[in-house]
Amino acid sequence: AQKITQTQPGMFVQEKEAVTLDCTYDTSDPSYGLFWYKQPSSGEMIFLIYQGSYDQQNATEGRYSLNFQKARKSANLVISASQLGDSAMYFCAMREGGNTGNQFYFGTGTSLTVIP
Amino acid sequence: NAGVTQTPKFRILKIGQSMTLQCAQDMNHNYMYWYRQDPGMGLKLIYYSVGAGITDKGEVPNGYNVSRSTTEDFPLRLELAAPSQTSVYFCASTLRRVSGYTFGSGTRLTVV
Repeated sequence: AQKITQTQPGMFVQEKEAVTLDCTYDTSDPSYGLFWYKQPSSGEMIFLIYQGSYDQQNATEGRYSLNFQKARKSANLVISASQLGDSAMYFCAMREGGNTGNQFYFGTGTSLTVIP
Repeated sequence: NAGVTQTPKFRILKIGQSMTLQCAQDMNHNYMYWYRQDPGMGLKLIYYSVGAGITDKGEVPNGYNVSRSTTEDFPLRLELAAPSQTSVYFCASTLRRVSGYTFGSGTRLTVV
């Protein structure tokens, strides 16, 4: 089974509107971390936001927030007030907290295009 | 600028050749990783290291080797390059397991 599933290959959003990028995960480990990364066309990977499995509140970082629904095993990224510079690939990732603790699993990504 | 430095940025190899992808970080991070990203796909972990002298296999280690003689450097060695190793390779590091990664800018490798 896929550890991380991103079902939206491509998304479009109007500038200044909010957009939600979906991510579901699969793990039996009670301790894990969820991450979102942005990959612009230039290719670098940029860390956006982190949510720990024991965190009570949803993580927020500026215009980014993570809608964490533990029972549904979902960790959707919400970008508010989209900007043209938000156009990029977005990857959801998970790290399990077991004794390996170092295996990151990445989804296949969602391509976001912000329309002026 | 502090961060993760990868060299080279681009490389074309012939089948059967060998090469080393270099990765260095100056943030005193203990954890370092090598990933590959195939077209239209997410990243897959090749090898990782939790500190100098300690390395372990990730999801797709076949055809690769690593070493970690210092905290700063984590080179990835390809022996007998194959077309299946055509990919973009990312090195990453982190201070703590719960932190996000700092990624290098990537190495685009083509094996022909």
